[in-house]
Amino acid sequence: EAGVTQFPSHSVIEKGQTVTLRCDPISGHDNLYWYRRVMGKEIKFLLHFVKESKQDESGMPNNRFLAERTGGTYSTLKVQPAELEDSGVYFCASSQGMGGIGAEAFFGQGTRLTVV
Amino acid sequence: GENVEQHPSTLSVQEGDSAVIKCTYSDSASNYFPWYKQELGKRPQLIIDIRSNVGEKKDQRIAVTLNKTAKHFSLHITETQPEDSAVYFCAALPTGFQKLVFGTGTRLLVSP
Repeated sequence: EAGVTQFPSHSVIEKGQTVTLRCDPISGHDNLYWYRRVMGKEIKFLLHFVKESKQDESGMPNNRFLAERTGGTYSTLKVQPAELEDSGVYFCASSQGMGGIGAEAFFGQGTRLTVV
Repeated sequence: GENVEQHPSTLSVQEGDSAVIKCTYSDSASNYFPWYKQELGKRPQLIIDIRSNVGEKKDQRIAVTLNKTAKHFSLHITETQPEDSAVYFCAALPTGFQKLVFGTGTRLLVSP
C-alpha cells in the first residue's frame, strides 16, 4: 500500500513568488492534515480536511495560504505571495480517524520550502 | 488551547544506555498521546501511543508512561542503539478536536 506522498520534496523560490505543494493521502483516508515545522520548533497544525471539506483551518497563518482538496482525494497548499517567514518543512498527514479506531496519523516525507 | 512542552531539546547517550524524553500538556481533557520518530530525511513515524485510561505501555525496548494528574508523559528507550538516533516528537490530542498538538522535538544521538 502506498503511503502519503508529497510533491515536491524541495522547493526554493524567491520572495513574492507563488508555490503550490501537493499531497496524496493514503487511499480511503478521509482525514487529511497539513502541518508545518519551522527549524527547531514544533510541528504546527495548519488545517484539517474531512473529505473535501475544511474541518478546521485555525492554524493557517494568513490569507496568503490557500488549501484545497477537490473531490476529497489529493490536496494542494498554495502560498501566494511567498514571504521569507514561510520557509520550513510542510508535512501532510492522513488518517481514517483520530484518537479512536484507526487513530494513527500517517505522515508524508514533507516538502522543504525555502524562500529567499 | 492545548500546549505541549517537550524536554530536552537534545539528548546524547552512549549505546546501551537508557534515554528518557519528557512532555507536559496543558489541556486535562486530552486523551491520546502518540510519539513519532523522524529519522534524518525520512517521514515522522508513529512508534508508540498511549490513551488516557492507561498509565503505561511497553513495546520491546520502548515504553511510555502517563501521569494524568501531573499532565505529563514520557518516552523511555532502554538499551539504546545507534539506529535509535532521530528526532522524537510527542503529541497530544485534545478531546473534541481532531488535530494533534506536537512538542518541539528531541534530537537523540546514540554514540557507539
